[in-house]
Formats: sequence, structure tokens, C-alpha cells
Amino acid sequence: GESVGLHLPTLSVQEGDNSIINCAYSNSASDYFIWYKQESGKGPQFIIDIRSNMDKRQGQRVTVLLNKTVKHLSLQIAATQPGDSAVYFCAETRGNTPLVFGKGTRLSVIA
Amino acid sequence: KAGVTQTPRYLIKTRGQQVTLSCSPISGHRSVSWYQQTPGQGLQFLFEYFSETQRNKGNFPGRFSGRQFSNSRSEMNVSTLELGDSALYLCASRELGEQYFGPGTRLTVT
Repeated sequence: GESVGLHLPTLSVQEGDNSIINCAYSNSASDYFIWYKQESGKGPQFIIDIRSNMDKRQGQRVTVLLNKTVKHLSLQIAATQPGDSAVYFCAETRGNTPLVFGKGTRLSVIA
Repeated sequence: KAGVTQTPRYLIKTRGQQVTLSCSPISGHRSVSWYQQTPGQGLQFLFEYFSETQRNKGNFPGRFSGRQFSNSRSEMNVSTLELGDSALYLCASRELGEQYFGPGTRLTVT
């Protein structure tokens, strides 16, 4: 498949463990944040989003935490599965301004 | 609903040529954005079109251009291709809220 990033930080976790992927965003004025998952050969896939008036949001097996004080975003994946192996990107925006993406983290799940 | 589609999926061009990539957004989505993805630079915003008008533009040279048609389909064009233009070009559409991405067009410039 296609490589989406040769120099990405990598997180390796055992199947069944929880994963935490971190992201530092750049613009304190950003008010909307998204996590995307990108598998080899595919475009980024929406996972979960959060607005700046919240500090936590939960989805199915995923939780996003937002700390505006230190401009930090994290994605927690519960009971990580082999199908979760991918590159994960955070993105930030405000209003209709374009999404600004982080560099990405490669998650590798060890069976 | 059908997702975002991009054509072609793969393309090989030589330096100096030009290329046109196509994107069909999700039905009902009026905004289409284009991104360039490379291993070194990651995902970088090229431009966004909304209702046939360019709404936002990234920091790319004028060789990169785009347009949107009345049915919201969009094309991007790169003229005078350079080796550094080799990348995955992604299109994303949205109406409100999150963007939905297509599978991308892999452009290789030789």
C-alpha cells in the first residue's frame, strides 16, 4: 500500500490494550477539532470531533479529550484491535477556515 | 449515499506536463477542498471551493489551480509539473461540520 508518512512517530500497543494518541495544536483560536484515521491506500476517515466548549466527548470505543489551556488534544481507543492499525491525524479549524492537520501518529497493534 | 470519488486513482506524468484531477463530492455537499499529502510535509491545504467560488487558498504556487462546477464537482490542475509535485492528492467535501475524504489520486512525476 501507499505510505502516508515515512517519519511519523509510532505507537505500538498490544491487542486488547488501550491506546492514547496525543496531539498539540497550534492556534488558540481554533474552535473545532477532528480526529481522522488513515489506512494504507485510503483517504482519511472521520473518527470523532469535539468543539471548544467541551473538554471530553465519547464515541464507540473512542474518547477525545481537549485541554485548551495547553492546546492539547488526545484520542483514546479502548480495547485496541488489529483493525485499528493506521495513521491517526488531528485537525483543527475555526469557522470556515481550512483544516490544519497535525503530522500524524502511526498506531501499530501487536496481535 | 455514495462517498467522495476521485479520478483517476493513479497517474504517471513527466516533468513539464500538466495534469487535471477530478473530484465528485457527496451529494448535497457544496464545499470541496483539495489537499496534497507527502511523506515529508504531511497533509497540506491547497484550496477550497464553495458554490463555484474559491473560498480559501493555501500557500501553493500559481501552477496549482482549481475550479468547481454547478453540480459541485471539482477539478484541480497542475501545470508545468515538477518532480516535487509527486504526492497523494486528496479531495474532501462537506456541507456542515466534518469533511469527508475521497481515496485520493496518486500522482507520480518522472
